[in-house]
Amino acid sequence: QVQLVQSGAEVKKPGASVKVSCKASGYTFTDHYLHWVRQAPGQGLEWMGIINPNGGKTTYAQKFQGRVTMTRDTSTSTAYLELSSLISDDTAVYYCAREPHPVTSFVRAGFDPWGQGTLVTVSS
Amino acid sequence: DMQMTQSPSSLSASVGDRVTISCRASQDIKNYLAWYQQRPGKVPKLLIYGATTLQSGVPSRFSGRGSGTDFTLTISGLQPEDVATYYCQKYNNAPWTFGQGTKVEIK
Repeated sequence: QVQLVQSGAEVKKPGASVKVSCKASGYTFTDHYLHWVRQAPGQGLEWMGIINPNGGKTTYAQKFQGRVTMTRDTSTSTAYLELSSLISDDTAVYYCAREPHPVTSFVRAGFDPWGQGTLVTVSS
Repeated sequence: DMQMTQSPSSLSASVGDRVTISCRASQDIKNYLAWYQQRPGKVPKLLIYGATTLQSGVPSRFSGRGSGTDFTLTISGLQPEDVATYYCQKYNNAPWTFGQGTKVEIK
């Protein structure tokens, strides 16, 4: 079955960087867009950006421009989110999520499935 | 950036009630709208896409309507397992903005 498995929880100091991984299985990794979404404690969902695993093209939310990098390794079917210059407000659960239809279908339909989430805590 | 505004922010209803959540886009997004359910402590789950199409496996008591800027999610016959926060999301282009969420509780 289609599955996205993320790396474990992280604790970082302000000013540091964090890199979260998202390993895909059960489908052809390069066929589907992947997104990153975060959720601060008790808050709503915030879209961070998208990567096309076929070629690596990215689009980032304006809020994170200059601080976020999304990459992928097609040999291991793994996507990565790196966020730098961390502040306490970056404390959140970070999710990867796949678009359910292949890129080549030109059909968009939200996100399904989602990874299990990775808690990143920024604290001095 | 475009805004997605949900109302109400929370509601309390009895088991079996019909519940409706609204989502308004600040610009025309045609039918590029999805609804998600996030149960407490769980990962968001896609319920509806294309404003009206039920994702496979989602109970038929969930339904979506609307196009352009005004959308609704209806639960016809609220069940205890529907206690969750519901989010709308636009996906016509970047940014893939979410609404702020509507928390649904049982009275």
